[in-house]
Amino acid sequence: DTEVTQTPKHLVMGMTNKKSLKCEQHMGHRAMYWYKQKAKKPPELMFVYSYEKLSINESVPSRFSPECPNSSLLNLHLHALQPEDSALYLCASRLEADSSYNSPLHFGNGTRLTVT
Amino acid sequence: QQPVQSPQAVILREGEDAVINCSSSKALYSVHWYRQKHGEAPVFLMILLKGGEQKGHDKISASFNEKKQQSSLYLTASQLSYSGTYFCGTEMRTGNQFYFGTGTSLTVIP
Repeated sequence: DTEVTQTPKHLVMGMTNKKSLKCEQHMGHRAMYWYKQKAKKPPELMFVYSYEKLSINESVPSRFSPECPNSSLLNLHLHALQPEDSALYLCASRLEADSSYNSPLHFGNGTRLTVT
Repeated sequence: QQPVQSPQAVILREGEDAVINCSSSKALYSVHWYRQKHGEAPVFLMILLKGGEQKGHDKISASFNEKKQQSSLYLTASQLSYSGTYFCGTEMRTGNQFYFGTGTSLTVIP
C-alpha cells in the first residue's frame, strides 16, 4: 500500500476543460513533488514544494498550476491542456527537499491523464 | 541534467547476474535507485551517499564513485520478481532538484 494517495486514478479531459489532480500524504514530509511520465520514459521533474513554498519550477507551461494548501496536500490545476500533455502524473513526497537529509522519495500510484 | 543509464534494456534468465550503470555530467551528492513495475509507482531501493560507498539489499547492491560521477546497481542470482524498469535518481549538494536517469528495462525469464 502506498502512503501517498493520488486522485483521481484516471482522468479524461477536453482541451477547454479545467480539472485538478490531488495528492495527499500524512507522513509528516515537508517536500512534495510533481513528475510527469510518458510511456517507457523516466519521470520528468515538474515542480518541487518545500515547506509549502514553491521551490522549483522546471519551466513548466502555465497551463499547469501547482498549489500546496498545507503540508499534507498538493494539487495540480490543469487548464487548456494539449493532447501531448497526456501522461501519467506522479506525486512524490520526502522528509526534506534538502539533499543532506538523505531521504527517499515516496510515490503515489499516479493519475493517468488523457487529453482529447 | 538527466543522468544516462546503460544498458537501455536487458533480458536475464533466473539466477543470472546483471549490472546497470548510471552516469552523470554533474557533480553528485547522492544517488538513489528505484524500481518501477509496469503500471505501478517507482519504489525506493537504496541510497548511496559517499564516493566509493557500496550498499546491499538482499541480492541487490550498488556502488557510487563520486569522482567519476557514476553509480552501478548489481543484481545477483536474479529472480522473476526483479523484472521492472530501474531508475537511478540523482541530486546535487545544493538545490532541490531530483532527476531520474534514462531508465533500464530488466526482464527476468524462467
